[in-house]
Formats: sequence, C-alpha cells, structure tokens
Amino acid sequence: DQQVKQNSPSLSVQEGRISILNCDYTNSMFDYFLWYKKYPAEGPTFLISISSIKDKNEDGRFTVFLNKSAKHLSLHIVPSQPGDSAVYFCAASANSGYSTLTFGKGTMLLVSP
Amino acid sequence: KAGVTQTPRYLIKTRGQQVTLSCSPISGHRSVSWYQQTPGQGLQFLFEYFSETQRNKGNFPGRFSGRQFSNSRSEMNVSTLELGDSALYLCASGGQGAPGYDEQYFGPGTRLTVT
Repeated sequence: DQQVKQNSPSLSVQEGRISILNCDYTNSMFDYFLWYKKYPAEGPTFLISISSIKDKNEDGRFTVFLNKSAKHLSLHIVPSQPGDSAVYFCAASANSGYSTLTFGKGTMLLVSP
Repeated sequence: KAGVTQTPRYLIKTRGQQVTLSCSPISGHRSVSWYQQTPGQGLQFLFEYFSETQRNKGNFPGRFSGRQFSNSRSEMNVSTLELGDSALYLCASGGQGAPGYDEQYFGPGTRLTVT
C-alpha cells in the first residue's frame, strides 16, 4: 500500500518555464512534507519542506503548496533551469516522534535548453 | 561541516554471503536512518537509530539488521544475500534530536550488487 504517490514518472519542461511536480498521500497522520532532489550516483538532497499548519512555503525558485483536504502537495520550480534536471522525491513524516520518512517513487524532471 | 559518508561506495557479493555497510553521520547528528532504493520500489525505509537504540523499523526481513555506536556511526548488515537485495543503500542523518520533523541529510549511498 503506497502511502505517498507520485503518479508522473517523468516530466519534460523547457528552460525558463514553470515545472510542477505533484504528490498525493493517503495517510492522514502525515503532518510534515519534504521534497528531495536526486542526481545519479548521489544521495537525495533536501530541497524544501512544509508543515501541515501551512499551505505554502517558498524558498527562492522553489515553492511547495499543500492542500490538506485533498491530501495533495505540489512543488513549483520557477523559472526552470537545465541544472534542475534530476529525480524529485516527495516524502512525508507523521507526528510519531520518529524521524521516519515515507517516500514516493520519484518524478524524473528534464529541463531542456 | 563534513557531510554524511558511507563506505564502501560499491560492493559486489555472491548470493548467500553477508555484507556490512558503514555510515558516518554529520557531526552532532544523533539520528541515523537507512533506506533501500530500487528502481521498482523507490526509497524504502529500513530502520532508524537514535543514541544507539533502534527507534523504528521498516517492513524488511530479519536478514537486515543494524546498530549504532556511541559516536553515532552506524552499520547495517544483510545476511544470506539474495539477488533481490541488489540496490542502492542510503544512510541519512538527522538533526540534534527533535523527533519527527528533522530534514534528513543523505550520504551518497552504497551500491550493492548480488550475483
């Protein structure tokens, strides 16, 4: 049973345009959400996070939106750059007192010049 | 600060053997988590250690075990290797101890190939 779902395995965007990566979750106990970026042969790198008490968090070109009623979050990258090409993982954590992250399967973003 | 380091980076083992992977967290981090990444399943949580105690465990068979030392370094052991254990094993360290909300910082991983 996949509790965090990224339904798009891949996404292609032109440089300068907006990239929107989506993530759905089923576990209503999740209250903290994170996005990681991963290049081949490297570990995931933390990008941005959002607590369930917020509906938006912004950090430079990256904005994460959370819709708790729909159990949906999205990562917006504006403007997209070729260096953003990587696999993006959505992850969620429950207020269980443990540092356990449940990951989606990832979306490969390709930004073309 | 130095990042999370994992050794070895690459490993080839034969079915039935056992393997030990090592992880050194970021200095000052007390939480270490292990994940398995495979193409079909994405990143799956194996277990998490905090102050030498296993705090949580994922849904993996008992062949997968781990431990954490007093200096926060962690090891993961897989016994009786199977072909399906071929994967990238990632270690992540978390912050100063606030549970549940830490961003986790990942090492580069150990690529294990079982033949």
